[in-house]
Amino acid sequence: QSVLTQPPSASGTPGQRVTISCSGSSSNIGSNTVNWYQQFPGTAPKLLIYSNNQRPSGVPDRFSGSKSGTSASLAISGLQSEDEADYYCAAWDDGLNGWVFGGGTKQTVL
Amino acid sequence: QVHLVESGGGVVQPGRSLRLSCAASGFTFSSYGMHWVRQAPGKGLEWVALIYYDGSKEYYADSVKGRFTISRDNSKNTLYLQMHSLTAEDTAIFYCARETGTVMIQTNWFDSWGQGTLVTVSS
Repeated sequence: QSVLTQPPSASGTPGQRVTISCSGSSSNIGSNTVNWYQQFPGTAPKLLIYSNNQRPSGVPDRFSGSKSGTSASLAISGLQSEDEADYYCAAWDDGLNGWVFGGGTKQTVL
Repeated sequence: QVHLVESGGGVVQPGRSLRLSCAASGFTFSSYGMHWVRQAPGKGLEWVALIYYDGSKEYYADSVKGRFTISRDNSKNTLYLQMHSLTAEDTAIFYCARETGTVMIQTNWFDSWGQGTLVTVSS
């Protein structure tokens, strides 16, 4: 059972806008910033969004992040086949004194 | 170019110990906090441990506290994870990751990851 809650799966068609939610609590998302990581099968995770809504250099602008209260969301606009991957949210938890991840969402492009 | 290379994984019997290493290059290793994150087969990511840039402070996940020790040798640009009393639940790919951001842990992020090393605990 992960501290941060994500839907296990999401799907969309090419060109569609999809969102992935990440629900936490006052000790993690409610108090701290949220980061998102993208992982393709058999490879290491890659930073996708940091500080709630910032994109590292090289990340397409169709990826965006937002946070409100104790929840965060990752949006993919203009979904592409190469976006099929696992997505994880993460935040520091003040109560646990450690980083916590969501369980991950497998994004499928139909 | 940041480069992180983990090593030391393998098959180990339950109850035994293992030490992982992460060789860093392409950046000033002694200026960054470093982490270990693991991923059990077919499962999600689980944060394991953090060590400050100068080794002055460490944090651990409850699941490994008292069994795992994170350390670093800034003269060798290398991060370590000493693991004791291993169980089948510790079977995972272990990644090292670099932390970037500000002086506040709570607002930072992992901007670079190694390719991982697989630890299998089995008799």
